Amino acid sequence: AQKITQTQPGMFVQEKEAVTLDCTYDTSDPSYGLFWYKQPSSGEMIFLIYQGSYDQQNATEGRYSLNFQKARKSANLVISASQLGDSAMYFCAMRGSASGGSYIPTFGRGTSLIVHP
Amino acid sequence: GAGVSQSPSNKVTEKGKDVELRCDPISGHTALYWYRQRLGQGLEFLIYFQGNSAPDKSGLPSDRFSAERTGESVSTLTIQRTQQEDSAVYLCASINQGASYNSPLHFGNGTRLTVT
Repeated sequence: AQKITQTQPGMFVQEKEAVTLDCTYDTSDPSYGLFWYKQPSSGEMIFLIYQGSYDQQNATEGRYSLNFQKARKSANLVISASQLGDSAMYFCAMRGSASGGSYIPTFGRGTSLIVHP
Repeated sequence: GAGVSQSPSNKVTEKGKDVELRCDPISGHTALYWYRQRLGQGLEFLIYFQGNSAPDKSGLPSDRFSAERTGESVSTLTIQRTQQEDSAVYLCASINQGASYNSPLHFGNGTRLTVT
């Protein structure tokens, strides 16, 4: 079975500072993908960034980067130069290969990020 | 193109009534997922459809919950004899299952269900 753990229920950051949101995972699949989603107060789920288990480089998308440490089974999201509009819930998720039902994406409990001016 | 569409966006119902939630996935997306999100919580998997295969119902919390999907089109999630603990946002997501596991889900905006 897959499991995603996000240990930070809430995080605060000053505008223009960088922030790291933690995510650890557990899976027996040899191949899997890790995703981060943003959910603002409006409720929509916005895909931010993806990291594949075999990717050698850490993923980056604009101000978002993923600090992937496979041996530690962690996939932390780093947001650089925080903006007020980054205030939202952030969910880490994973999806494995087709065997054993891991094709069903598993989500963490989320981290609430508040950016202060 | 159009994204995943869910209706209604909000639904208030009395305890004991049945409700039906609708999801219209992105055209061509063969896989469709339903998730439940209680207030301040993460996403809880409910059911998964892949083409014409038998759905994976392993996440449905009770036999009051059921869902249907015809082919690769619209899906409906039905909750019978609603209870107050059913109050949540119900999210639908679709994906082209032909893509690999590195493809993200595309979510609708959800249906906020309130059972009074």
